[in-house]
Amino acid sequence: EIVMTQSPATLSVSPGERATLSCRASQSVNNNLAWYQQKPGQAPRLLIYGASTRATGIPARFSGSGSGTEFTLTISSLQSEDFAVYYCQQCNNWPLTFGGGTKVEIK
Amino acid sequence: QVTLRESGPALVKPTQTLTLTCTFSGFSLSTSGMCVSWVRQPPGKALEWLALIHWDDDKYYSTSLKTRLTISKDTSKNQVVLTMTNMDPVDTATYYCARKTYYYETSGYYDAFDIWGQGTMVTVSS
Repeated sequence: EIVMTQSPATLSVSPGERATLSCRASQSVNNNLAWYQQKPGQAPRLLIYGASTRATGIPARFSGSGSGTEFTLTISSLQSEDFAVYYCQQCNNWPLTFGGGTKVEIK
Repeated sequence: QVTLRESGPALVKPTQTLTLTCTFSGFSLSTSGMCVSWVRQPPGKALEWLALIHWDDDKYYSTSLKTRLTISKDTSKNQVVLTMTNMDPVDTATYYCARKTYYYETSGYYDAFDIWGQGTMVTVSS
């Protein structure tokens, strides 16, 4: 089973600043990596698939990068609505697995 | 418009079997490439993938829970059903169903859960 490790667990950022979230896979996932955003009381929302392609309707301030086992989600200029928990997920091998999440909070 | 909605009991007793239904619209599970999955989230904790069923009835399960899970589909009703046996208080969670979509890019093909249901909270308690 591929273990997904996200860091940091919590990221304190001021509005307008850049946020950089990391996700590491225990073995290569061939860029079959997705990022989700989850706000309190809501279902997750797909942000990025294929490590770097934004899903439909996702603002350009969200970008994904990386390959193999190391991936990054960058939010270029945090807006108030971006404070949430972010999860990465590998879809390359069974069983599918999620990371533990990174909470982006207001500094 | 694609939607998914979970339904099932809000409260189950320890050792009982949980049956959850995902009713969806806007796509057909008889279409090649379509898949529906279940994911759960204990209060305050991370997402945990549980099971997935393909359009061709191929099924996959979480390694740690596979002996307790069964996923099935009723294409005519646009429903996917998840059963989990021998429920325990640690299974208390919000259970989500989600559609998995394949994306074809020049660099390859990729998967992701593009549409999620609102989730249903299940509490396990005597």
